[in-house]
Amino acid sequence: TQLLEQSPQFLSIQEGENLTVYCNSSSVFSSLQWYRQEPGEGPVLLVTVVTGGEVKKLKRLTFQFGDARKDSSLHITAAQPGDTGLYLCAGATPSNTGKLIFGQGTTLQVKP
Amino acid sequence: DARVTQTPRHKVTEMGQEVTMRCQPILGHNTVFWYRQTMMQGLELLAYFRNRAPLDDSGMPKDRFSAEMPDATLATLKIQPSEPRDSAVYFCASGLGQGGQPQHFGDGTRLSIL
Repeated sequence: TQLLEQSPQFLSIQEGENLTVYCNSSSVFSSLQWYRQEPGEGPVLLVTVVTGGEVKKLKRLTFQFGDARKDSSLHITAAQPGDTGLYLCAGATPSNTGKLIFGQGTTLQVKP
Repeated sequence: DARVTQTPRHKVTEMGQEVTMRCQPILGHNTVFWYRQTMMQGLELLAYFRNRAPLDDSGMPKDRFSAEMPDATLATLKIQPSEPRDSAVYFCASGLGQGGQPQHFGDGTRLSIL
C-alpha cells in the first residue's frame, strides 16, 4: 500500500516567519501535487511537480520534488495570515489511472 | 470558471435513515472521485469512476454504501442505513483521469448522523 506521510501535522507561526512542510513516502510517484484547503471548501490545486529534482515557485511558495520522486517539500517565505489553511500533498500512482494518494495534511495557522 | 457542484451542502439526519449525496462533475471530465474527510483519517478515497464505469470502490463499506453514475452529469453516493460513524464531510472531485492531472473538488457535503 502506498502511503504519503506529511509533517508536521500542525503548525502555528507568526506573520513573517518562514516554514517548511514535508511529504515523504517509500514509494515512487509519477508526479506529486500540492493542494490547499480552506474551511468549508474543497481542496484547490496549487502546483504539480513531475520531474525528480524539480523546483517550482508560486510567489512566496517554493515546491520541490525529490530526486527519487519519493518525497516533496513546500517552503513558505514570510508567511501571511492569508496562507492559513490545510495543505495536502498527493501522489499520482505510476499506474496512470488518475488516482491520487493523499497525505494526512498539515494545518497551518499564521497569526497577525 | 467551471466548478464541481455538490448537493446538499449540509445534511443532518437520524441513524438508520437513507442519505443521498449528489455531484455534478465538470463538463468534459471523464473521471469522478468520491472522498470522505474526517479529522482522524484525513481524506479517504471511497470510489471512483471513469466514463461512468466504476474503477475502484474498495474504500467503500459495501454493506451500506453505494455509488453510481446514472449519466455523465450526475454522480450519486448513497448510505443506507446511515450510522453515527458515517458523520464526515464527503467530497466529489472530477478530472481527466490521466496520471498527473489535477482533481477539481466540490465544496463537499457535511453529513451529521445523530
